[in-house]
Amino acid sequence: DTEVTQTPKHLVMGMTNKKSLKCEQHMGHRAMYWYKQKAKKPPELMFVYSYEKLSINESVPSRFSPECPNSSLLNLHLHALQPEDSALYLCASSQVRFRFTGNTATNEKLFFGSGTQLSVL
Amino acid sequence: QQPVQSPQAVILREGEDAVINCSSSKALYSVHWYRQKHGEAPVFLMILLKGGEQKGHDKISASFNEKKQQSSLYLTASQLSYSGTYFCGTERSGGYQKVTFGTGTKLQVIP
Repeated sequence: DTEVTQTPKHLVMGMTNKKSLKCEQHMGHRAMYWYKQKAKKPPELMFVYSYEKLSINESVPSRFSPECPNSSLLNLHLHALQPEDSALYLCASSQVRFRFTGNTATNEKLFFGSGTQLSVL
Repeated sequence: QQPVQSPQAVILREGEDAVINCSSSKALYSVHWYRQKHGEAPVFLMILLKGGEQKGHDKISASFNEKKQQSSLYLTASQLSYSGTYFCGTERSGGYQKVTFGTGTKLQVIP
């Protein structure tokens, strides 16, 4: 199984709603990521989880709240979003590799899910 | 900072070759290359680690010059299936599991 599964595929929500995006992988990957992609733009990193711990938060507003319940699952909880948050939200996973020098973890190739297209009204 | 790719867009006829460049202002540990078709997720093509290596995959190959913080993707004898937007993803030398995507290059292959 080399898939990253994201649900839902499409989501429309109002600015006062609370919703969650879900991501699941069964490749044994210990790093999972949330990226945000606006139309015709590159994916922008939001969060990185490594071994179920949040390792990177790219100064994302608190209305986005990530959660990694176990090594296979990644959630993104959404609350009080703004219309400018409308975008494609991509989940990705990868193996974790450690560099030759030091003990710094680094990325293997990223496997992306098909994304959730989010519209905030 | 986001890596800069050139060209921004290119149109090829089937069978023609193309080169896509990726340039970073920061020292790099690795460079990834991905292709994204419209409405789909990015798909991994290859990863290059510092050391100036060059890799090939069918008619697609890439090089990485760590001294210049540049990478190039070479597409030879292009096929219709090569159409899409190509992104480099860079990992900085001092970075930590963070892949930053470049500005993107839209490639269209026509018959």
